[in-house]
Amino acid sequence: NAGVTQTPKFRVLKTGQSMTLLCAQDMNHEYMYWYRQDPGMGLRLIHYSVGEGTTAKGEVPDGYNVSRLKKQNFLLGLESAAPSQTSVYFCASSYGWGYTFGSGTRLTVV
Amino acid sequence: GEDVEQSLFLSVREGDSSVINCTYTDSSSTYLYWYKQEPGAGLQLLTYIFSNMDMKQDQRLTVLLNKKDKHLSLRIADTQTGDSAIYFCAETSRTGGGADGLTFGKGTHLIIQP
Repeated sequence: NAGVTQTPKFRVLKTGQSMTLLCAQDMNHEYMYWYRQDPGMGLRLIHYSVGEGTTAKGEVPDGYNVSRLKKQNFLLGLESAAPSQTSVYFCASSYGWGYTFGSGTRLTVV
Repeated sequence: GEDVEQSLFLSVREGDSSVINCTYTDSSSTYLYWYKQEPGAGLQLLTYIFSNMDMKQDQRLTVLLNKKDKHLSLRIADTQTGDSAIYFCAETSRTGGGADGLTFGKGTHLIIQP
């Protein structure tokens, strides 16, 4: 089925470790987004991309980097994980008014 | 920046109607959405409304938009235990060439009493 796929679904990191979250979409959408969800905070935009090779900062970009080397993939990197980055991360893609979300990645930093 | 406000909790009896309210500040909001999130799950789009509409109905769901007051509501008729979830209001001022992401409220926990 067409949609947005996030990998991994769960991950536990030690403080200072690095990792990359992968988001892949097969709908040929131009726009892609990374959000984080924390209890009582709703979803907040980390970074987004308006097309292959482009990225831009969202509301809470500090501590994260992103890359969009291929149109269908949007990578979110944590270079040196901190406990404050414990969260659920959602990727989304969009075209026009419609947004499609992945099922999320639950990340715990200990 | 844009802000979207929702009350954090709503408790209703099974079979009653639930009304979840949302206010937003961005006067250029073009599209407004309601998402549902069940425990441990992702986001499910329930419904959306364009800013040039006042009301939209879809089975048990009714969305009302008061653009003058920047107020959006979601009414769920005949609330059932399966409606227990967090409901997020979201908006975007996306135009044809824009890339704005969605701005979300903090979510309303809908609690169903037997």
